[in-house]
Amino acid sequence: GQQLNQSPQSMFIQEGEDVSMNCTSSSIFNTWLWYKQDPGEGPVLLIALYKAGELTSNGRLTAQFGITRKDSFLNISASIPSDVGIYFCAGRLLFSSGTYKYIFGTGTRLKVLA
Amino acid sequence: ETGVTQSPTHLIKTRGQQVTLRCSSQSGHNTVSWYQQALGQGPQFIFQYYREEENGRGNFPPRFSGLQFPNYSSELNVNALELDDSALYLCASSLGGIAETQYFGPGTRLLVL
Repeated sequence: GQQLNQSPQSMFIQEGEDVSMNCTSSSIFNTWLWYKQDPGEGPVLLIALYKAGELTSNGRLTAQFGITRKDSFLNISASIPSDVGIYFCAGRLLFSSGTYKYIFGTGTRLKVLA
Repeated sequence: ETGVTQSPTHLIKTRGQQVTLRCSSQSGHNTVSWYQQALGQGPQFIFQYYREEENGRGNFPPRFSGLQFPNYSSELNVNALELDDSALYLCASSLGGIAETQYFGPGTRLLVL
């Protein structure tokens, strides 16, 4: 199935370091979402972006909607052990019929070393 | 806690059987989307229901079907199960509209033997 390209695929970082991950697509989206998923649970929404160029923060998390509408990035500052998990981006495709669907990225697996 | 619940939490079926998964959306949400998440992959969009009608569909065969009820809860039905149908099935509810965001349930893990 169709998935967005996320990078890096996985990363190990030291506690306190900043983290950056991004998501790219060949399609244009009108909404970008970032989710975190812990083992055995559903994804939890972190940040939603609705306009090209938009920069939004949620605590230590900052995300941006790319100007081309084909990419987005997520930054986590001063990482802590509970940041460990899988981070997914998702783009929403809106069709002229008024229907839409979400396409998810391949995920970035983050491990934080205390 | 997102207020979205799913049942059952786990399920084991054999190839060729049929399965029904259930989802109760967050209070006030009129839109439910279903996703399939294979191990190590991101969620794949199956379809979405808005006010009891299908409102969009991903690349899944017709043996994947759904229903949404007047209280906005939803079911996902899969007929003629195949081994590759083994996955975590997630539902997500939202209020609908351009600025809507969706909230996920914990998922149902289906194993097809």
